[in-house]
Amino acid sequence: SQQGEEDPQALSIQEGENATMNCSYKTSINNLQWYRQNSGRGLVHLILIRSNEREKHSGRLRVTLDTSKKSGSLLITASRAADTASYFCATHGDTGRRALTFGSGTRLQVQP
Amino acid sequence: DTEVTQTPKHLVMGMTNKKSLKCEQHMGHRAMYWYKQKAKKPPELMFVYSYEKLSINESVPSRFSPECPNSSLLNLHLHALQPEDSALYLCASSPSDSSNEKLFFGSGTQLSVL
Repeated sequence: SQQGEEDPQALSIQEGENATMNCSYKTSINNLQWYRQNSGRGLVHLILIRSNEREKHSGRLRVTLDTSKKSGSLLITASRAADTASYFCATHGDTGRRALTFGSGTRLQVQP
Repeated sequence: DTEVTQTPKHLVMGMTNKKSLKCEQHMGHRAMYWYKQKAKKPPELMFVYSYEKLSINESVPSRFSPECPNSSLLNLHLHALQPEDSALYLCASSPSDSSNEKLFFGSGTQLSVL
């Protein structure tokens, strides 16, 4: 079953602009992870934020987490055409379920 | 070696065929996963193996049969599939099945069932 919902479903921006993707989830979590997928390929892990963290940075990526609202976000700054991909949030529940469940995903198109 | 290798990359099979998907990793990971992904949808969990034992089966039909011969290999045996089973099948691994682990994915097998 799907744990998270992401919005927007699709996002088209120009190179150099920032892209923000939001993720909402249903149950308590230990962490929120973000993955990237180029068309028809495997997923690549981008960043993990734990439930006791509010914000985390990695290069051009900034993620936030608000456990009280059961939501998080991924910000990609100064986007590049190569950032064009689908982005998924993913969660483990804190009830011992030992597998990641993915959100619905955001398809990002960065126009050169 | 930080790769998860899946073979074949593409597979076309009839509904009466028997085929197998293979997945291999040499990172010493003890958890391995099969996910199914339809076009423009998120990956959906099928099976989880932890220390070579099946720990999660997400009520997957028996025409999909997983096998973990050793800690580096994961197979998915396919038999009597339906056209709606056409999808991208993704294998992943992680050091353990702890909730704080990230997953490493293979490039997937694009399966078409005719």
